Amino acid sequence: GNSVTQMEGPVTLSEEAFLTINCTYTATGYPSLFWYVQYPGEGLQLLLKATKADDKGSNKGFEATYRKETTSFHLEKGSVQVSDSAVYFCALSENNFNKFYFGSGTKLNVKP
Amino acid sequence: KAGVTQTPRYLIKTRGQQVTLSCSPISGHRSVSWYQQTPGQGLQFLFEYFSETQRNKGNFPGRFSGRQFSNSRSEMNVSTLELGDSALYLCASSTGTAIYNSPLHFGNGTRLTVT
Repeated sequence: GNSVTQMEGPVTLSEEAFLTINCTYTATGYPSLFWYVQYPGEGLQLLLKATKADDKGSNKGFEATYRKETTSFHLEKGSVQVSDSAVYFCALSENNFNKFYFGSGTKLNVKP
Repeated sequence: KAGVTQTPRYLIKTRGQQVTLSCSPISGHRSVSWYQQTPGQGLQFLFEYFSETQRNKGNFPGRFSGRQFSNSRSEMNVSTLELGDSALYLCASSTGTAIYNSPLHFGNGTRLTVT
């Protein structure tokens, strides 16, 4: 079956620190991979996506590379800001099926 | 462009009652999905509707049902509420035509509390 595993949180960093949030997946087919972010009191927002192996998704300084050989899609940012504090969800969807599988979410706290 | 709108934002119900949640998708989006979010289980897929037809379904009991109207608005109904149904219910819309070109756009959710 399909599933997504994310590193446990919370992750606490100081402003300008480097961020990595690990995500690995299991899929029966050839999924598209996504990172969503949920700010307090809000719904999830798409952060970035990658639709095939070796694709790199990027947005707002965040990036993630679709690694088929390691079934991973780790999220990285070179220098986090306080405004990046949120919960980050890794997700997959098999192409042609509008059904998403989400990881458990990783809460990021960035201190000034 | 207006985002996904969910109503109401908060609901408090008693065990055994039923509840209906509403979702208005982004204009032009024909797919509406529903997810249940809880601290213990995370985000779990309930079902997805496309052009008034249920296209995908998750592993929830039959007490959870939904429908979609011709204007793409969707409702979700939960009958015979249980304490474990307390959760944030998220609606998401997309064009629904190609996953890699139609990511989900989420509403802010309806917080259901069952007492």
